[in-house]
Amino acid sequence: GAVVSQHPSRVICKSGTSVKIECRSLDFQATTMFWYRQFPKQSLMLMATSNEGSKATYEQGVEKDKFLINHASLTLSTLTVTSAHPEDSSFYICSARGGTGEQYFGPGTRLTVT
Amino acid sequence: AQRVTQPEKLLSVFKGAPVELKCNYSYSGSPELFWYVQYSRQRLQLLLRHISRESIKGFTADLNKGETSFHLKKPFAQEEDSAMYYCAPLGRNQGGKLIFGQGTELSVKP
Repeated sequence: GAVVSQHPSRVICKSGTSVKIECRSLDFQATTMFWYRQFPKQSLMLMATSNEGSKATYEQGVEKDKFLINHASLTLSTLTVTSAHPEDSSFYICSARGGTGEQYFGPGTRLTVT
Repeated sequence: AQRVTQPEKLLSVFKGAPVELKCNYSYSGSPELFWYVQYSRQRLQLLLRHISRESIKGFTADLNKGETSFHLKKPFAQEEDSAMYYCAPLGRNQGGKLIFGQGTELSVKP
């Protein structure tokens, strides 16, 4: 079946630094990937749509200069949290859209900003 | 505005009891409807989609366009069904963008 991986699974960084999270579709190509944020005991909130070879589309209220998305290949999208602050601490989840339109989700990345 | 509502934050039933997780949506056009499940410490995974009309793990969901609902049902709940369940409509021409409901935590007690 279609598998999506994320790296790292958890990361701790200091306030003011930047963190990059990778999302890979392992056995299929994904022209579209999505980035979500999930707070404890809450639903997934869509942050942005990542399209291979073009700029990402951000949801209302999501700062594109803060959350940089790059989708350089059909199997890799990256999310960089720039100048991270404690309020950016969260669980970040990516998904990749397969050929049938179904979305396959990564295991998530736990970001803690100290 | 596009909206999906799961009115129950927590649903607690005993093993063997019927369960129904509610989902109501407000979407322009005719969206495709999905149910996703997230077991403890696992990634989100697709449970079922309305166009396939399948029964997965004993769960079924019927799309009621008149009531704009897509409730998830299972006649006899099992302990292993305990998880978070998310309803997600997919609008046409939305580029595959899923918007998730608030989620319902199903707890099946022995």
